[in-house]
This record gives sequence, structure tokens and C-alpha cells, in this order.
Amino acid sequence: NAGVTQTPKFQVLKTGQSMTLQCAQDMNHEYMSWYRQDPGMGLRLIHYSVGAGITDQGEVPNGYNVSRSTTEDFPLRLLSAAPSQTSVYFCASMRNTEAFFGQGTRLTVV
Amino acid sequence: GENVEQHPSTLSVQEGDSAVIKCTYSDSASNYFPWYKQELGKRPQLIIDIRSNVGEKKDQRIAVTLNKTAKHFSLHITETQPEDSAVYFCAANNNNDMRFGAGTRLTVKP
Repeated sequence: NAGVTQTPKFQVLKTGQSMTLQCAQDMNHEYMSWYRQDPGMGLRLIHYSVGAGITDQGEVPNGYNVSRSTTEDFPLRLLSAAPSQTSVYFCASMRNTEAFFGQGTRLTVV
Repeated sequence: GENVEQHPSTLSVQEGDSAVIKCTYSDSASNYFPWYKQELGKRPQLIIDIRSNVGEKKDQRIAVTLNKTAKHFSLHITETQPEDSAVYFCAANNNNDMRFGAGTRLTVKP
């Protein structure tokens, strides 16, 4: 099992550009989520999904879109990147409430 | 939604001493309380968890206590070692909606 795989590991974007952060898991978990991690603020929930075809907003959803067409994949889209979206992004999947995290994507918006 | 507060934000102890990190939560429906350890540049990893029907749980040098009435839970690390140095996050989970505290940076001095 690869677990939760995120790509890319690092990314630099210009303000206004769009991009998609990829997340895939091979554990057949129904629940997946995206967090952003900023210094002194812990992990904040962006969006989550309880199964294919179902998504919902977390604490800080503005500026981000998600979709869940398959159980395995849960991509996060930045529609028009802003410097405030500079952060480390973690994707997670959950089994019986235990979360398994991807390795993270460090995103810088200039 | 759920709000989790974590204290202290930084903690420095001498090797061999104990370390205690405390969290409070707001949603009485939360029923699962994990603790994650994150080493520099790595993903968060689950170290111990407790469910709302249990008051205390131990695993070697780490233990977690939960007071449901007061809505607070704590992580206790005994006989600390330099490799315990990391950022620790508490979380509260209600039906797979997991919210994190802001983190505690623990430094264990040799």
C-alpha cells in the first residue's frame, strides 16, 4: 500500500494563476479531507468528502474547489491563487476516525 | 463548528522530565480525541488517541486523559528523550469532522 500520495511536493505560483493539488489513496477509505497548515495556526480544514460524489466545506473553503469522482482521488483546485494561500497543504484519508496524511505540498504564491 | 484550543504553544523540558500538553474543545458531540506528532518537514503521525467512553489511556511513556464534563483532554509524556522533540497537535472529531489545535512545539534538551 502506498497510503496517501500527494503531488507535487513543492510549487511556486504567480498571483492569479490556477492549479490543482493531487491526492490519491489506495486504502479504500470513504472519508478524505484537505487541510492547510500555517505557523501558529495548526491544521485548518478546507474541504472534506464522505464518499464519491459528496463534498462539503470545512473551516476555510474560500478560494478552493474540490471534487470526488472516485473513492481514490480527491483533488484540490486553487481558482486564482493569492499570496494568502501560501501554506503547506495536507491531504488525509480516514479509517474509523484515524487520519492518514499525505506528505504535504508546500505552496508559495508570489 | 468545533473549536479546539491547545496550550502551551511552546514547551521546553530537560531530558528525563515530564511534559504535559492540554487541550479544550467546544462541541460536546465530539467523541474521538487523537494526538499527532509532526517532526520537522514531515507529515503528522498519530501517536495515541482516546474515545469519549474512556477516561485515560496509556502506551509506554505517553498517556492521554479525557474529562468529558469539563471538555478537556491532555497528553502526558514521561521520561522525555531528545527524539520526542517535535510539534504535537491535539484534535477533536465528531463524525469524521476533525478539528485541530494550533500545536505545541516541544523541545527536549539533552
